[in-house]
Amino acid sequence: ETGVTQSPTHLIKTRGQQVTLRCSSQSGHNTVSWYQQALGQGPQFIFQYYREEENGRGNFPPRFSGLQFPNYSSELNVNALELDDSALYLCASSSGTERYGYTFGSGTRLTVV
Amino acid sequence: DQQVKQNSPSLSVQEGRISILNCDYTNSMFDYFLWYKKYPAEGPTFLISISSIKDKNEDGRFTVFLNKSAKHLSLHIVPSQPGDSAVYFCAASDSEGAQKLVFGQGTRLTINP
Repeated sequence: ETGVTQSPTHLIKTRGQQVTLRCSSQSGHNTVSWYQQALGQGPQFIFQYYREEENGRGNFPPRFSGLQFPNYSSELNVNALELDDSALYLCASSSGTERYGYTFGSGTRLTVV
Repeated sequence: DQQVKQNSPSLSVQEGRISILNCDYTNSMFDYFLWYKKYPAEGPTFLISISSIKDKNEDGRFTVFLNKSAKHLSLHIVPSQPGDSAVYFCAASDSEGAQKLVFGQGTRLTINP
């Protein structure tokens, strides 16, 4: 399987709710990272998973959590949603060997109302 | 603290001319730099990268220049084509491969026919 697939593409949630975003990575890509891209900004690193373990985290609170599964899929969970969580969430995967960085998915547009 | 900055939110260039996109960084630990291109409703796609041991890397119409003393890099596109119209992100990492990327805010490039 090639490419990185994210679901859903769009999502509307109410403040205080919980959300799970999903990502299916390329086969053989044992590293996955999640990024948050607010409107008009560049992507911001949330965290990275390598072989199902978190191995790096950006400046995001603990209510942002993740999981990585052996089948190269992963999840981003956000609890107690806030209005400022409205953003495009990008998943990016890598085998860790290529020099040209990640392969990004098209993202999930989350709107919190 | 914006460690990677793209100070021009937008740039308009005539088709066939040179496009120059600029990026500045503050973190001396960054040793690998990448440029990504993003179309609407798509994830960022890798364009070109450069290691800190080099000052230039070329790939077809795209050339990236790195000035470590000035902590500045630039992407040159020549000749510019209408399909180059997109948002360009500069990103930096403190190691090669699958690690945290720090992105700039992006520059929207428009190529006019």
